[in-house]
Amino acid sequence: DIQLTQSPSSMSASLGDRVSLTCQSSQGIGNYLSWYQHKPGKPPKPMIYYATNLADGVPSRFSGSRSGSDYSLTISSLESEDTAIYYCLQYDEYPNTFGAGTKLELK
Amino acid sequence: QVTLKESGPGILQPSQTLSLTCTFSGFSLSTYGMGVGWIRQPSGKGLEWLANIWWDDDKYYNPSLKNRLTISKDTSNNQAFLKITNVDTADTATYYCARILGGPWGQGTLVTVSS
Repeated sequence: DIQLTQSPSSMSASLGDRVSLTCQSSQGIGNYLSWYQHKPGKPPKPMIYYATNLADGVPSRFSGSRSGSDYSLTISSLESEDTAIYYCLQYDEYPNTFGAGTKLELK
Repeated sequence: QVTLKESGPGILQPSQTLSLTCTFSGFSLSTYGMGVGWIRQPSGKGLEWLANIWWDDDKYYNPSLKNRLTISKDTSNNQAFLKITNVDTADTATYYCARILGGPWGQGTLVTVSS
């Protein structure tokens, strides 16, 4: 199975900070990676698909990028509503696999 | 507007079969390229992909569940189903269905396996 390693596992940042979360794949998955935002009591929300494409309704401060087997989700200016756990998912191969998540908190 | 909603038994006993239903609107599983997936999350843990079913009835399963999974669909009634046989306490989780590639996800249904 393809392993996705997310880093850091948790972090805190201040309002207005630029924040980058990373997801590293154990093997090539092309751009078949998506990002999800998960808040307590709510279902995960798609944020990015195909590594760099913003999902419908997602604020433009979010962006996705790829460098080799490293994928990043960047928030250009952190807002309080962005605190959540963020998961990456690869859908290049079955079984699809999720990363363990990054918990993002406000400092 | 695309919506999905999961329904399940809430609680069941070990060794029983878990039957889940995903009722959706705003898209059709008979449309080219459409698919529905099932994902679960035990309390306090991460997300685990379980199975996908596609418009052409292609089905894919997580082999870690050792052939306990069966996914199916009823296109006429806009529903997808997931069965998990021989459940154990380790299957206690919130189960989500989602439209593949773009979402959204349903609100989830909590399933507890307990004797």
